[in-house]
Amino acid sequence: AQSVAQPEDQVNVAEGNPLTVKCTYSVSGNPYLFWYVQYPNRGLQFLLKYITGDNLVKGSYGFEAEFNKSQTSFHLKKPSALVSDSALYFCAVRPAQGGYQKVTFGTGTKLQVIP
Amino acid sequence: SAVISQKPSRDICQRGTSLTIQCQVDSQVTMMFWYRQQPGQSLTLIATANQGSEATYESGFVIDKFPISRPNLTFSTLTVSNMSPEDSSIYLCSVISGGGADTQYFGPGTRLTVL
Repeated sequence: AQSVAQPEDQVNVAEGNPLTVKCTYSVSGNPYLFWYVQYPNRGLQFLLKYITGDNLVKGSYGFEAEFNKSQTSFHLKKPSALVSDSALYFCAVRPAQGGYQKVTFGTGTKLQVIP
Repeated sequence: SAVISQKPSRDICQRGTSLTIQCQVDSQVTMMFWYRQQPGQSLTLIATANQGSEATYESGFVIDKFPISRPNLTFSTLTVSNMSPEDSSIYLCSVISGGGADTQYFGPGTRLTVL
């Protein structure tokens, strides 16, 4: 069975500092990996995905994520945090092969950017 | 990406009643999904709704409690029946959109409170 671990319930970072939100996964075969962001009282917004190719994936709002197959990780990063980045972040995974298969979401990490 | 709207955005209901949530997509999509997000929790898939076929429910969810309609390729409804306070959650509609059928997009959610 596939799974996603987001080991930190909350990450606090000062505005202007780099941020990292951690994600590790377990899946049979190659993964499709995703990051979503949820602002208060809103639905999930797609940020970025890894399907294949370059291990460094760039997404919306200046976010990027690095796929590391040996460590089965897909950490979300941003060079300089903004207060407006404060939100709930979800990592998700599904197997790459066999057509569409169900996506598994992590438990979420609350990012708090401190002015 | 698809643009997804949901109605209502929020509601407060009495126990024992039912609520129907509507999901409208701005383009034709094959696969639609309904998720539940309980307070402070991650997303749990309720069912997958494909046009022209019965919805497929995940373990722990049954059609009598969560009947789903999918009359065409841009619309679906989820009914939460005989509600109890434990049904208080955010209900999210999601679709697969784009080439490669690899990314899910989410509606803004319906915040349900059952008294």
